[in-house]
Amino acid sequence: GENVEQHPSTLSVQEGDSAVIKCTYSDSASNYFPWYKQELGKRPQLIIDIRSNVGEKKDQRIAVTLNKTAKHFSLHITETQPEDSAVYFCAASLLKSGNTPLVFGKGTRLSVIA
Amino acid sequence: DVKVTQSSRYLVKRTGEKVFLECVQDMDHENMFWYRQDPGLGLRLIYFSYDVKMKEKGDIPEGYSVSREKKERFSLILESASTNQTSMYLCASTGLREQFFGPGTRLTVL
Repeated sequence: GENVEQHPSTLSVQEGDSAVIKCTYSDSASNYFPWYKQELGKRPQLIIDIRSNVGEKKDQRIAVTLNKTAKHFSLHITETQPEDSAVYFCAASLLKSGNTPLVFGKGTRLSVIA
Repeated sequence: DVKVTQSSRYLVKRTGEKVFLECVQDMDHENMFWYRQDPGLGLRLIYFSYDVKMKEKGDIPEGYSVSREKKERFSLILESASTNQTSMYLCASTGLREQFFGPGTRLTVL
C-alpha cells in the first residue's frame, strides 16, 4: 500500500521568510496530492492540491510542486505570516471513484516567528 | 455551507465501557472516514465506508468497529474502551476530491 513520508516534523521561520515542506510517496499509481492545514484546536482544511498531470500549482503565497519520477512533492509558502503557523499534512491517493482513502504524512508543525 | 459534525467535542469514559462516536455530514457524500490523531503520528485511518452498510478496515482497526446505516451518518464504536484509545478522533467525508473533516472528539479513557 501507499506510504507517505513528510519532512521536517517541525519548522521555524522568521516572518517574511519562505517555508518548504517535503513529502515522498511510494505508490507510483497515486495521482492526487492534497495539502491540509490544521490550526491549533481546529479541524484540518484543504489549502491546495495537485494532480499528477501537472508539475506545479500556485495559489497566492502557496505553491505545490510535484516530481512524479522521484515520487516527491513539496509545499512552498512565501512571505510567511504569523497566521501561517499551524500543522501541515501532505497526503496521497489514487483518485478514481473516491473510495481510495488518502494516506497522510505525519505532519509538519510550522512556527512563524514575528 | 459544507458541514461535518461530530456528536461530542470532549468525552471521558472508563476502561471497559462501550463508546459510540457519531458523525453526520450534510453533503450527500458517499465516502466517510474515521481517523485518530496522536502527536507525532499524524492522521491514522481506522475505518472507512464508501456506501451505506459497507465498511473497510483502515490501518488501525483493532479495538474498533463501525456502523453506516444511513448515508449521512457514520458511527465509530469502541467495544471495550482501553486507556490506549485515549486520543483525538476525526471524522471526514469526501465526494470525488476534497475531504472535509469534522471538528473532532477528544476522548479520554480513564
